[in-house]
Amino acid sequence: QKEVEQDPGPLSVPEGAIVSLNCTYSNSAFQYFMWYRQYSRKGPELLMYTYSSGNKEDGRFTAQVDKSSKYISLFIRDSQPSDSATYLCAMTGYQKVTFGTGTKLQVIP
Amino acid sequence: GAGVSQSPSNKVTEKGKDVELRCDPISGHTALYWYRQSLGQGLEFLIYFQGNSAPDKSGLPSDRFSAERTGGSVSTLTIQRTQQEDSAVYLCASSLAGGLQETQYFGPGTRLLVL
Repeated sequence: QKEVEQDPGPLSVPEGAIVSLNCTYSNSAFQYFMWYRQYSRKGPELLMYTYSSGNKEDGRFTAQVDKSSKYISLFIRDSQPSDSATYLCAMTGYQKVTFGTGTKLQVIP
Repeated sequence: GAGVSQSPSNKVTEKGKDVELRCDPISGHTALYWYRQSLGQGLEFLIYFQGNSAPDKSGLPSDRFSAERTGGSVSTLTIQRTQQEDSAVYLCASSLAGGLQETQYFGPGTRLLVL
């Protein structure tokens, strides 16, 4: 079993839809939780960063962490075609960062 | 300002050859990370440098892989006797400080194809 599980998708939604992206994890030592966005043929870029359980909002993006369930989510409101990318969750513990496999999102105009 | 740069952007090599990948981190960033990204596998952590030292080499897949960093700046990842399963995108990232909660800034990657 992988330490971090993420549905690879692809996920296709119409423009304006609310998108929900999720990851589950098994290691209770993970302390920091991040979401990265990766456009095709580019390196990942950090979108959101959270430490504690609960919600964190930044514009159209909301990151949610539930440590008791070992479950994290990223919500995108009013999705735009420019949001089309692969979204990777990432978690830190010990001396390294563990990434999910990424979910490919396509927002259809 | 300049971001993380990597070279070459693409590399095609024959099985058994050695390859060297280069990463130029953002100026002033003390921490540097190497990852491998294979199709359907996500990002696989390889090695992390704090300054010139690598406190964690546990992610290197085999003894054919080695990395060094000199002068607290440029890093090279060397793969000896390449195998077809080494084909992947190799990503480098840097952060201002060494804590894992620090924001990592990624380069565009080197796409390696081993024939």
